[in-house]
Amino acid sequence: NAGVMQNPRHLVRRRGQEARLRCSPMKGHSHVYWYRQLPEEGLKFMVYLQKENIIDESGMPKERFSAEFPKEGPSILRIQQVVRGDSAAYFCASSTRAEAFFGQGTRLTVV
Amino acid sequence: DQQVKQNSPSLSVQEGRISILNCDYTNSMFDYFLWYKKYPAEGPTFLISISSIKDKNEDGRFTVFLNKSAKHLSLHIVPSQPGDSAVYFCAASALGGGSEKLVFGKGMKLTVNP
Repeated sequence: NAGVMQNPRHLVRRRGQEARLRCSPMKGHSHVYWYRQLPEEGLKFMVYLQKENIIDESGMPKERFSAEFPKEGPSILRIQQVVRGDSAAYFCASSTRAEAFFGQGTRLTVV
Repeated sequence: DQQVKQNSPSLSVQEGRISILNCDYTNSMFDYFLWYKKYPAEGPTFLISISSIKDKNEDGRFTVFLNKSAKHLSLHIVPSQPGDSAVYFCAASALGGGSEKLVFGKGMKLTVNP
């Protein structure tokens, strides 16, 4: 899973600021997932993207959260006006059809 | 609505013994199942998978069993080693249904004591 790169590894934001999390998938992979792990919880699906296309965003909160995967460059998960409840580890994965490879995650702390 | 359930939050076993991690699912559309292992501060790492056309898949010390009628799968690790201590996540997807997203359980913390 070393091939999936996420940055930053740690991000601290004040309430009301914006958080941008980046994910570069493994070479040759054109599908990206974003998952969130809240404290004491499992991995919760957020969004599934193909380049320039959102395939499934059923796990995304309706407000403040957005994701994109442009033709060039990394996938971005954007959280506007962060609140304390957004503090979590956010994991990105890229996939073949049957296996997902995860990055090391971005730990977001909202203070 | 938790479609993949790992009902036991933790398991502790002695080194050399068998570890059995259980997972139940509710969505009959799931046709592909995976186990991931996660160490603190790292991303999950793929361990082993099984398609619904099989009932068993083995890879070294790891074996996954699938009981479709019971909607249950289990991961057996034998012999268990201290380095196996981690959180294990069960995941499922409905590849045949065109939905490749992985749905995860909450995880189970395995501790293997020397």
